[in-house]
Amino acid sequence: GENVEQHPSTLSVQEGDSAVIKCTYSDSASNYFPWYKQELGKRPQLIIDIRSNVGEKKDQRIAVTLNKTAKHFSLHITETQPEDSAVYFCAASISLTGGGNKLTFGTGTQLKVEL
Amino acid sequence: GAVVSQHPSRVICKSGTSVKIECRSLDFQATTMFWYRQFPKQSLMLMATSNEGSKATYEQGVEKDKFLINHASLTLSTLTVTSAHPEDSSFYICSARDPRGRGETQYFGPGTRLLVL
Repeated sequence: GENVEQHPSTLSVQEGDSAVIKCTYSDSASNYFPWYKQELGKRPQLIIDIRSNVGEKKDQRIAVTLNKTAKHFSLHITETQPEDSAVYFCAASISLTGGGNKLTFGTGTQLKVEL
Repeated sequence: GAVVSQHPSRVICKSGTSVKIECRSLDFQATTMFWYRQFPKQSLMLMATSNEGSKATYEQGVEKDKFLINHASLTLSTLTVTSAHPEDSSFYICSARDPRGRGETQYFGPGTRLLVL
């Protein structure tokens, strides 16, 4: 099955700096890569996603890049703010027979934005 | 994004009892819902895929007789933890696949924190 690795496990940045989180996946059939933000005790919230036919996608301060050949994708947060502090999960999705898809999650990155 | 609710948010039960958790998609019909378990400071582990009108598909290592899943309608899936034991204590989160658009996006419920004494 699919295996997703995520680095780093913890990341501490100063407010205003950029943060980069990297993930690799194993199954070349994966075709959809969402990123979720989870605050303590809360539900994961989708923040951005990218499909395999696109190399980069940006939404305000958040961007995601995908390298299909190398099977890795990254989350970039610019001008970080204290409210960006949370755990971030990457995921890779494989289409299921009969429709739909199944997500495999990375191990998570605890991002701390310090004042 | 789409809205998914989950009930209860928190439950404490005695060892040996059963606990039912409900997951509802509020503003869309979800033919597929997913159940995850998350231990403290760990990632989300998929337990099973719940398909409306058919049997759930369980991940390897998840006991289907212990974690009963019923997806009786397009907006409701339930997970019943039978004969719960302390090691079943965890954060259980459901998600629902939004079929609109490309149909790949999963939206998560707020989770249920289960504590088995």
